[in-house]
Amino acid sequence: GEDVEQSLFLSVREGDSSVINCTYTDSSSTYLYWYKQEPGAGLQLLTYIFSNMDMKQDQRLTVLLNKKDKHLSLRIADTQTGDSAIYFCAESVSNTDKLIFGTGTRLQVFP
Amino acid sequence: DGGITQSPKYLFRKEGQNVTLSCEQNLNHDAMYWYRQDPGQGLRLIYYSQIVNDFQKGDIAEGYSVSREKKESFPLTVTSAQKNPTAFYLCASRPTGVTEKLFFGSGTQLSVL
Repeated sequence: GEDVEQSLFLSVREGDSSVINCTYTDSSSTYLYWYKQEPGAGLQLLTYIFSNMDMKQDQRLTVLLNKKDKHLSLRIADTQTGDSAIYFCAESVSNTDKLIFGTGTRLQVFP
Repeated sequence: DGGITQSPKYLFRKEGQNVTLSCEQNLNHDAMYWYRQDPGQGLRLIYYSQIVNDFQKGDIAEGYSVSREKKESFPLTVTSAQKNPTAFYLCASRPTGVTEKLFFGSGTQLSVL
């Protein structure tokens, strides 16, 4: 079945770049997404990429997609303390109305 | 302001009790979803509904029930058959045909007394 995997934790220094990685299994996914969750809150859509794209940049965020390896990454440039949160990768399941979420990566930014 | 409202923020359940979590949206979205979040695990889909009076089971529907009598509302009942209900429950919605625009509520934390 479909599965999305992420590492659980990432710790970076303020001002450095953060790279959060994700692998997925459904090669026919149409869209892949990155969501951010702050403590005790719902998820907020950060960005998404269509499956026929390799890269998408949106201000400090860069998404890279390697379809051959089924690997997705989110790079946050100039990471700030306000970026500390849990980041979820998600894939759309082809021919359904469902999204499959990864386990989430907890990003901690220290001064 | 448009959005998704979940209530209550915190809910406690006694053994053998059914409890209902509320989810209301004024975004005029057709599709609504319920997810369960456990620490160290991703979001798991409980139920979803693409249209009024219709809903489908997700991956972990056992012990839960839903209804979709109105477009704006998609309440989730956690029944006594759900033996491990303690979790953070998230409701979401999106317009039909716009897969990337999934909007989430702020969640309900359910705990067992």
